[in-house]
Amino acid sequence: QVQLQESGPGLVKPSQTLSLTCTVSGDSISSGGYYWTWIRQHPGKGLEWIGYIFYSGSTYYNPSLRSRVSISVDTSKNQFSLKLTSLTAADTAVYYCAREGIGTVGMDVWGQGTTVTVSS
Amino acid sequence: DIVMTQSPDSLAVSLGERATINCKSSQSVLNSSNNRNYLAWYQQKPGQPPKLLIYWASTRESGVPDRFRGSGSGTDFTLTISSLQAEDVAVYYCQQYYSTPPRTFGQGTKVEIK
Repeated sequence: QVQLQESGPGLVKPSQTLSLTCTVSGDSISSGGYYWTWIRQHPGKGLEWIGYIFYSGSTYYNPSLRSRVSISVDTSKNQFSLKLTSLTAADTAVYYCAREGIGTVGMDVWGQGTTVTVSS
Repeated sequence: DIVMTQSPDSLAVSLGERATINCKSSQSVLNSSNNRNYLAWYQQKPGQPPKLLIYWASTRESGVPDRFRGSGSGTDFTLTISSLQAEDVAVYYCQQYYSTPPRTFGQGTKVEIK
């Protein structure tokens, strides 16, 4: 079955850049049909959509984060990645990667999530 | 952006009783070309990622018990758990995936046992 796994540092200093990677198994990013998505959840709060990427490299970001976020894809490694710059404590959250069926089922597969703390 | 508003924020229901969660979108998420509502429901248990329950407003994801039912169209939607089980204690989110992003979620509804 399809599985997604986030990886990256758990602790990042303020003003630095966060880099996370999502490794996809059981499916090929290049097969099309899906948006590969990043979502975050602040401690004790709801879900915030960060953005997604298509296998071709086309992206869409949440306007609230657009100036600081970039998502890229490496089809040879079957991975997609998130970069978030100029971090503050407000970026402390659990970061999830997920798969969204284009025009179909919504986000049907999620990673387990990775906790990122922004602190000096 | 489409704003999703859920009600109530929390509810406590006795085992075996019905739980009803409402979700309202600030604009219609109905695609008139295919008559589908681009609305999903997710269940999130503590320490776990969200799990897709319902898509297209009323279609259960494979493996989801039939006590979960989604309904509604346009801007008003409902998730009903017909007979609450202990394992249904969770936070439930609605989310729209209509047209141009950003995707947006409701604030969540916490379901507990009375």
